[in-house]
Amino acid sequence: RKEVEQDPGPFNVPEGATVAFNCTYSNSASQSFFWYRQDCRKEPKLLMSVYSSGNEDGRFTAQLNRASQYISLLIRDSKLSDSATYLCVVPANAGNNRKLIWGLGTSLAVNP
Amino acid sequence: NAGVTQTPKFRILKIGQSMTLQCTQDMNHNYMYWYRQDPGMGLKLIYYSVGAGITDKGEVPNGYNVSRSTTEDFPLRLELAAPSQTSVYFCASSYSKTSGRLYEQYFGPGTRLTVT
Repeated sequence: RKEVEQDPGPFNVPEGATVAFNCTYSNSASQSFFWYRQDCRKEPKLLMSVYSSGNEDGRFTAQLNRASQYISLLIRDSKLSDSATYLCVVPANAGNNRKLIWGLGTSLAVNP
Repeated sequence: NAGVTQTPKFRILKIGQSMTLQCTQDMNHNYMYWYRQDPGMGLKLIYYSVGAGITDKGEVPNGYNVSRSTTEDFPLRLELAAPSQTSVYFCASSYSKTSGRLYEQYFGPGTRLTVT
């Protein structure tokens, strides 16, 4: 299994739809997880951190399934502005170097 | 707060030239990172630093050098530029004793570099 794996998509959904992405990770000892969003030709921006079983922020919900080693990102009531690439990120947990392992991202296009 | 700033935004280099990409953060973060992102690809870590005076190699350090003389600045030096170094370069920072958040990285806007 790759260290962090995501379905690249693209996911094409209409405005108002609910969409979910999954991210699988290989290190069963991982304790924290992150979702970043990256707009085309822009820098990644932190969307959500997950330190326990899940997190919710408005229309966005992240859920962790430790048994199956995946985290999901659910977006409700999709907006056109949600169109972006969503990156799943897991700490490397190798020593104390504070490095992150970045997924390749899932592309979302929200259509009018 | 400006966050993480990077200069220049764009640069075209000829093969064999050298340049320094500048990165500054004003969040008093201990950790700083340099990534490159090739078109359609994921982020690859070039170098990182856990504090002033301390740097270490990431996944793809060849052809690059860094220094960290202050908490705020983390410049990336390209010596003898090659076409393979054409990429977008992102600087990021994380962790302050105030926030306690080790892994939440904040990125600069990037430098788009073309080597021809």
